[in-house]
Amino acid sequence: GIQVEQSPPDLILQEGANSTLRCNFSDSVNNLQWFHQNPWGQLINLFYIPSGTKQNGRLSATTVATERYSLLYISSSQTTDSGVYFCAVVSGYGNKLVFGAGTILRVKS
Amino acid sequence: NAGVTQTPKFQVLKTGQSMTLQCAQDMNHNSMYWYRQDPGMGLRLIYYSASEGTTDKGEVPNGYNVSRLNKREFSLRLESAAPSQTSVYFCASSKGHQGDEQYFGPGTRLTVT
Repeated sequence: GIQVEQSPPDLILQEGANSTLRCNFSDSVNNLQWFHQNPWGQLINLFYIPSGTKQNGRLSATTVATERYSLLYISSSQTTDSGVYFCAVVSGYGNKLVFGAGTILRVKS
Repeated sequence: NAGVTQTPKFQVLKTGQSMTLQCAQDMNHNSMYWYRQDPGMGLRLIYYSASEGTTDKGEVPNGYNVSRLNKREFSLRLESAAPSQTSVYFCASSKGHQGDEQYFGPGTRLTVT
């Protein structure tokens, strides 16, 4: 099945810093989503982005489907950005959402 | 518009007990899903339902049963709980098939002793 790799596994930032999280996937995809899991365990939809670029406030995402990767940009990070960021995909031939292992982000004040 | 709701939020079971996790969505979505999340990992699909009256196995279905009661509700049943089923369970829904954006409930934290 499709493989999803996220990097880095851990990231510590000072408040106000910018960061880029990466998601590599091994096959063509019909669906790619970025989620933020906050410290209370809630999964928050950030982007639905099987291709192209989207922006939402301080966050933006780009998926280059032909090269099989997606990037999540966080600018001017805040302590409330802390948590785990997951990338999840559905392959072009598959029928299930496959999650990466996540990037743990800690933003210090 | 509550989105996806799950009950209960927390549950502790003894080995061998049974229970049903409830999920409901008010977005008129056709597809619904059950996932589990173990510590330090992403979510894994247990079962899904592409439409009312249909269910299919996901990646980790053993030890679970599901019922798509109607378009709104999708329940997950543990007939004889085992410690290996200690996990956080998430329900999700999407408008159509799994290529569509999925929306998740708040989760149920289950501990089996």
